[in-house]
Amino acid sequence: NAGVTQTPKFRILKIGQSMTLQCAQDMNHNYMYWYRQDPGMGLKLIYYSVGAGITDKGEVPNGYNVSRSTTEDFPLRLELAAPSQTSVYFCASSYALTSGEQETQYFGPGTRLLVL
Amino acid sequence: GENVEQHPSTLSVQEGDSAVIKCTYSDSASNYFPWYKQELGKRPQLIIDIRSNVGEKKDQRIAVTLNKTAKHFSLHITETQPEDSAVYFCVGGRGYGQNFVFGPGTRLSVLP
Repeated sequence: NAGVTQTPKFRILKIGQSMTLQCAQDMNHNYMYWYRQDPGMGLKLIYYSVGAGITDKGEVPNGYNVSRSTTEDFPLRLELAAPSQTSVYFCASSYALTSGEQETQYFGPGTRLLVL
Repeated sequence: GENVEQHPSTLSVQEGDSAVIKCTYSDSASNYFPWYKQELGKRPQLIIDIRSNVGEKKDQRIAVTLNKTAKHFSLHITETQPEDSAVYFCVGGRGYGQNFVFGPGTRLSVLP
């Protein structure tokens, strides 16, 4: 298993440009997450999904959009890049029972984004 | 929603000494408390976790304790080694999504 994969590893964007950060997992996990981590800080939840076709906002969703058309993929879209979106973005996945009991989140290697 | 606090923010110990990191949480319904280690430039990786029906769990040099009444949990690392140097995050959570909240992190430095 590859686990959680993310592309690209690094990207420089100009202000106002758009891009999609890709995330895929091959562990048949139902839950997927997007976090951002600013330098020297903790992780903040952007969006999450409990299954294909279902997404919900996290703590810092403004400026981002997501979709979940398949169990495996959970892309994050930045429509109008701003310097404040300079960060490292981590995708994660986990399996949770229908009762909602949380299981371990496994993280991808991250995408480093610089907006100039 | 859940709020997780973590102390200290930085911790330096001599190689071979023990390190303790403490976290508190606010949501009494939280029932899952993992700890992640993040090395510089790498992804967070799970090192140990504990559920609310257990008071203590140990895995070699790492142990975690949970006090549900006081709503705090701690990470204990014994016989620290230079490779233990990293940022450690505690997490309080239940269910999924916004109920899974990371603490701000503790930067541990193990000095040779």
